[in-house]
Amino acid sequence: KAGVTQTPRYLIKTRGQQVTLSCSPISGHRSVSWYQQTPGQGLQFLFEYFSETQRNKGNFPGRFSGRQFSNSRSEMNVSTLELGDSALYLCASSQQNEQFFGPGTRLTVL
Amino acid sequence: EDQVTQSPEALRLQEGESSSLNCSYTVSGLRGLFWYRQDPGKGPEFLFTLYSAGEEKEKERLKATLTKKESFLHITAPKPEDSATYLCAVNTGFQKLVFGTGTRLLVSP
Repeated sequence: KAGVTQTPRYLIKTRGQQVTLSCSPISGHRSVSWYQQTPGQGLQFLFEYFSETQRNKGNFPGRFSGRQFSNSRSEMNVSTLELGDSALYLCASSQQNEQFFGPGTRLTVL
Repeated sequence: EDQVTQSPEALRLQEGESSSLNCSYTVSGLRGLFWYRQDPGKGPEFLFTLYSAGEEKEKERLKATLTKKESFLHITAPKPEDSATYLCAVNTGFQKLVFGTGTRLLVSP
């Protein structure tokens, strides 16, 4: 079975721009979660989607949003980028309780 | 507030020198405690899930145990390829994982 895939793997943006990241879960997995990883804060939960519905949300500003499509693929969007948004963004998919992570998208905001 | 604390922050071992990593947690409703391994520049790799006190799971040189307040990851006779950051997390509901800051393990030949 193919693992979780994320695109793009690397991204460079400037302050004020917006960005969309994509995640394709493991086949059959209907839950997709997003996390932000930084050296200072570690891994922090952004939100989780199941069957196109957001079921849970972390403590991030409204500039961070996401959605899930009928085929379980998910996207997250960050608008009005700030320097502090530079991070590794990780997507994880799950079928029951275990979450399996993708390789991440490294976002650099200049 | 749900919280996960890992210790030590970093650990250096000689090849073959066994040790344990600690993960203590405070959570209102535990829906699983997870151990992951993360190599630099990569996503976390799933290792174990534990659900109840007294539960133990093993995989190669790794063994995870769980009590009501903490979990241990025991590494027996480690090899250099075991060098990585080991992350502990708890599921607090609807797949929300709260992570500790990790233990960076370096195993020298």
